[in-house]
Amino acid sequence: DQQVKQNSPSLSVQEGRISILNCDYTNSMFDYFLWYKKYPAEGPTFLISISSIKDKNEDGRFTVFLNKSAKHLSLHIVPSQPGDSAVYFCAERSGYALNFGKGTSLLVTP
Amino acid sequence: NAGVTQTPKFQVLKTGQSMTLQCAQDMNHNSMYWYRQDPGMGLRLIYYSASEGTTDKGEVPNGYNVSRLNKREFSLRLESAAPSQTSVYFCASSEAPSAGANVLTFGAGSRLTVL
Repeated sequence: DQQVKQNSPSLSVQEGRISILNCDYTNSMFDYFLWYKKYPAEGPTFLISISSIKDKNEDGRFTVFLNKSAKHLSLHIVPSQPGDSAVYFCAERSGYALNFGKGTSLLVTP
Repeated sequence: NAGVTQTPKFQVLKTGQSMTLQCAQDMNHNSMYWYRQDPGMGLRLIYYSASEGTTDKGEVPNGYNVSRLNKREFSLRLESAAPSQTSVYFCASSEAPSAGANVLTFGAGSRLTVL
């Protein structure tokens, strides 16, 4: 059973608005969660991470929130831009590797 | 700075044929990984090498073998390709699995079709 779940396959947002991408997890014993962004025909690229000792991490337009009691994390993109249109993966650091969710495809419309 | 380089970018095989996907990184990373991406399945770990000289199975290792040739190179071999191995394969590397978040740097991918 997948340990990291992204239940929304797709999301459409207008340019300038906030995009919120969600991720649920089952394993309480984690160190880090990471978000990756992937454009078609390219490899995933690292976006932002959060450690288990934090509730929030911010980097420019990107903020990740961690709710440990709900086993839920979210990525906020504010303001959204057309160039943000991509597939976003959340990943859990698991031992020596990362376990990825299935991804959410974000479309930012002008 | 090339980062992670994968070859070939595209390959078409017939069932039963063999092939090797090559991966090289120039970031002096200790750990290397092979993932596959299938529609609706996300990225699944095939094999990884935590350090030079070691390899370990991931979530979906059946039908694959790997070789950590040296610190820079990590190859993935399909001995007898099957249509179920049609996928996009990504190689990745990281400084060390114990280094904080263990951020992986990915290559551009190799698209493999098995007929």
